[in-house]
Amino acid sequence: EAGVTQFPSHSVIEKGQTVTLRCDPISGHDNLYWYRRVMGKEIKFLLHFVKESKQDESGMPNNRFLAERTGGTYSTLKVQPAELEDSGVYFCASSRTGGNTGELFFGEGSRLTVL
Amino acid sequence: KQEVTQIPAALSVPEGENLVLNCSFTDSAIYNLQWFRQDPGKGLTSLLLIQSSQREQTSGRLNASLDKSSGRSTLYIAASQPGDSATYLCASVVASKIIFGSGTRLSIRP
Repeated sequence: EAGVTQFPSHSVIEKGQTVTLRCDPISGHDNLYWYRRVMGKEIKFLLHFVKESKQDESGMPNNRFLAERTGGTYSTLKVQPAELEDSGVYFCASSRTGGNTGELFFGEGSRLTVL
Repeated sequence: KQEVTQIPAALSVPEGENLVLNCSFTDSAIYNLQWFRQDPGKGLTSLLLIQSSQREQTSGRLNASLDKSSGRSTLYIAASQPGDSATYLCASVVASKIIFGSGTRLSIRP
């Protein structure tokens, strides 16, 4: 069974440009989460999808970030326009059951560098 | 607001030793606690998941305990090996919000 896959693995863009990160969860996992780790800090929650609905987006830093999960399968996270402080590693995770009890499976992460 | 702390931030021990990594959390109303390892440039690999009703979980040389009343979890690694070198993170789940500690960077010397 394929694990959580993320694309791209690394993206380098200039300030003001747009980047879209993609996450394919494990098949059959209704719950999908986005996290990010900026340099030297702990991993922080961004948002949680249950199927195509946003269950909790309280961790999204500002309105330059837009996450979608049309059809309840893969998800995208768009940053527009990107700023220097957006640099970091963006992780996606999925679980079969809800975050209350479900084991999380993580992707390898997408490293974003904003110059 | 839940805070998760991991001590120590870094640990280096010789191969073969048993060791304990610590994780503390401020909100005892957790649903579960999960331990992960992260290798450089890689994603997070799940090691053990402890539900709030459980006190410990074991997998091979790893044993994780959970004490909600004191807000602590420990990850015990027996007979450490160089391949155990990685960053170990704990994460607590409170009301669907998953909070990570900053991790313990473990180095096992051959």
